[in-house]
Amino acid sequence: EDQVTQSPEALRLQEGESSSLNCSYTVSGLRGLFWYRQDPGKGPEFLFTLYSAGEEKEKERLKATLTKKESFLHITAPKPEDSATYLCAVLQFQKTSYDKVIFGPGTSLSVIP
Amino acid sequence: DGGITQSPKYLFRKEGQNVTLSCEQNLNHDAMYWYRQDPGQGLRLIYYSQIVNDFQKGDIAEGYSVSREKKESFPLTVTSAQKNPTAFYLCASSIFGPSSGNTIYFGEGSWLTVV
Repeated sequence: EDQVTQSPEALRLQEGESSSLNCSYTVSGLRGLFWYRQDPGKGPEFLFTLYSAGEEKEKERLKATLTKKESFLHITAPKPEDSATYLCAVLQFQKTSYDKVIFGPGTSLSVIP
Repeated sequence: DGGITQSPKYLFRKEGQNVTLSCEQNLNHDAMYWYRQDPGQGLRLIYYSQIVNDFQKGDIAEGYSVSREKKESFPLTVTSAQKNPTAFYLCASSIFGPSSGNTIYFGEGSWLTVV
């Protein structure tokens, strides 16, 4: 079954304590992987798109990487304002219709001052 | 400012009633989407539309209906046939359809509660 999982489900970090979030997928026909940030009660905000294994993208304290089976979102020296839920989504090739986007359940990050 | 506007932000529905959630975008995007978000689950696609007057069912279309009469508007009706409608609903859009690897941008969401 095509699936996207994220771990951990929740993560608490001290301010300045770097860590990584994981997005694993068992999806055939990968065409791309997206990372979003979602604040409580708001819509997801786009962060990155990765298209091929080995690709990396950076934005401020965030760095996303992609392998053939998973993606990591590295957070360096996080600040309290980085607290949010981080979603990943996989773009899957479909033979007979438009490509399908499959979302993971998200990782809830809390950064404590 | 360009963006996606959803209304209302909060909506309460009595059982047996239909309700319509509004979604308007001024990004000049061709494709629009409706997703449902429940706690602990990934976003699930309800309907999507690549162009005006055309739309396709997503993974959980039962109990929902949409229309796409204008490029900028994609309203979602939650009908009384939807057995568990209480959820957070997200409207989204992209320049073209997802086959192009386009970024999907989201609105601020609408909370629907059945009372």
